[in-house]
Amino acid sequence: NAGVTQTPKFQVLKTGQSMTLQCAQDMNHNSMYWYRQDPGMGLRLIYYSASEGTTDKGEVPNGYNVSRLNKREFSLRLESAAPSQTSVYFCASTGRATGELFFGEGSRLTVL
Amino acid sequence: QKEVEQNSGPLSVPEGAIASLNCTYSDRGSQSFFWYRQYSGKSPELIMFIYSNGDKEDGRFTAQLNKASQYVSLLIRDSQPSDSATYLCAPRANDYKLSFGAGTTVTVRA
Repeated sequence: NAGVTQTPKFQVLKTGQSMTLQCAQDMNHNSMYWYRQDPGMGLRLIYYSASEGTTDKGEVPNGYNVSRLNKREFSLRLESAAPSQTSVYFCASTGRATGELFFGEGSRLTVL
Repeated sequence: QKEVEQNSGPLSVPEGAIASLNCTYSDRGSQSFFWYRQYSGKSPELIMFIYSNGDKEDGRFTAQLNKASQYVSLLIRDSQPSDSATYLCAPRANDYKLSFGAGTTVTVRA
C-alpha cells in the first residue's frame, strides 16, 4: 500500500523560480492537506481541500497556490519562490471516520 | 495566544520512567484530539486518539482529556529509547482542520 505519495522528496530552487509539489493518495480519502514544518514551529496548515472540487486557505497560504486535480491528487505550487519558503512540506489525507491524518514522507525544499 | 500550546522541551527521562506531556488548546469547539509521534527526519504517525473526557490507555501510552479545562495530556510509561521522538498534539475542530502544537521532544536516557 503506497498510502500518500509526495514528489519530489528534495528540491533546491533559486529565488524567483517556480515549482509544483505533487501529492497523491490511494486510500479514497475525501480531504487532503498541505502543511509546512519549520524548526520549533510544528506543522502549519497552508491549504486544504475538504472534498474534490473545493480548496480553502489555512494558516499560512501567502505565496502558495493549490489544485485539487481529482479525488486522488492535490498539488502545491510556488509561483515565485522565496528563501522564507525553505521548509519541509508534508501532504496528508483523511477519511471521515475519525479525522486521523495520514502523512506522506515529506518534501524538503531549499530556496537559495 | 497560540491555538495549541505544548510544554516546551526537550524533556529528558531515564529509561523505565514516566514521560508526561501536556497540551492546552484555545478552540472550545475541538471535538477530538490526536497525539502524533515524529522521529527525526520522518513524517508524523498517529499514536493516540481521544474524544471523551477521561483517560484512554493503549499499551504504555495513556491520554487524558479534560474539555472543561481545554487540556489534554499524554503519559508514556516505562519509557524506552525507542520513545525518543517529538510528540505533537493536534485538536480537531468539526471541519476536520487539525491544528498542531509545536511539539515536545522527548529523549529517553539508557
